[in-house]
Amino acid sequence: AQKITQTQPGMFVQEKEAVTLDCTYDTSDQSYGLFWYKQPSSGEMIFLIYQGSYDEQNATEGRYSLNFQKARKSANLVISASQLGDSAMYFCAVQPMGGGADGLTFGKGTHLIIQP
Amino acid sequence: DTGVSQNPRHKITKRGQNVTFRCDPISEHNRLYWYRQTLGQGPEFLTYFQNEAQLEKSRLLSDRFSAERPKGSFSTLEIQRTEQGDSAMYLCASSSSAVPWGTEAFFGQGTRLTVV
Repeated sequence: AQKITQTQPGMFVQEKEAVTLDCTYDTSDQSYGLFWYKQPSSGEMIFLIYQGSYDEQNATEGRYSLNFQKARKSANLVISASQLGDSAMYFCAVQPMGGGADGLTFGKGTHLIIQP
Repeated sequence: DTGVSQNPRHKITKRGQNVTFRCDPISEHNRLYWYRQTLGQGPEFLTYFQNEAQLEKSRLLSDRFSAERPKGSFSTLEIQRTEQGDSAMYLCASSSSAVPWGTEAFFGQGTRLTVV
């Protein structure tokens, strides 16, 4: 079984500042992947970044980086130099390695609002 | 092919009616997932297809729900005798087992169901 906890229901951040969105996870699987998705008001889930449980280096994708601390079971998303277009819901998710029949397990999300 | 397509985008139905949603995945993707997202929550896994075979069903998928993926292409999700608790966003996602896992599952924009 998997569980994701996102403790920040909402965040207000000034444009151009960096922001960290918290995510802790619980899983009984030895091998797993951690994902972050962005959901704008249009509803579509947009993939941002992925971290495998055996990856030693933190994942980075442009302005997004994942601060992975395996011993603490945390996978925080860091957005550098935030932009107005970053305003959206952000979801952390976990899936057993290989995907397949086990779908993604999502947290409740964080509503990020970037202020000019 | 520009992505995962879901139809209709919005559906309003009276309680007790049957509804059917359609998902057209990215053409070369053999994996297809359905998720349900209620207000203020992250998406919850409903069911998974690999090609035309339905390999996993969540306990959330009561006997009023049925999903098909004939010929391993598009998929339909039918809800019979709809209840107000079925009101939610229904999301479809597709991915390919032929690429390294961890590359993103692509989501459609969802079908928002309102049961009145």
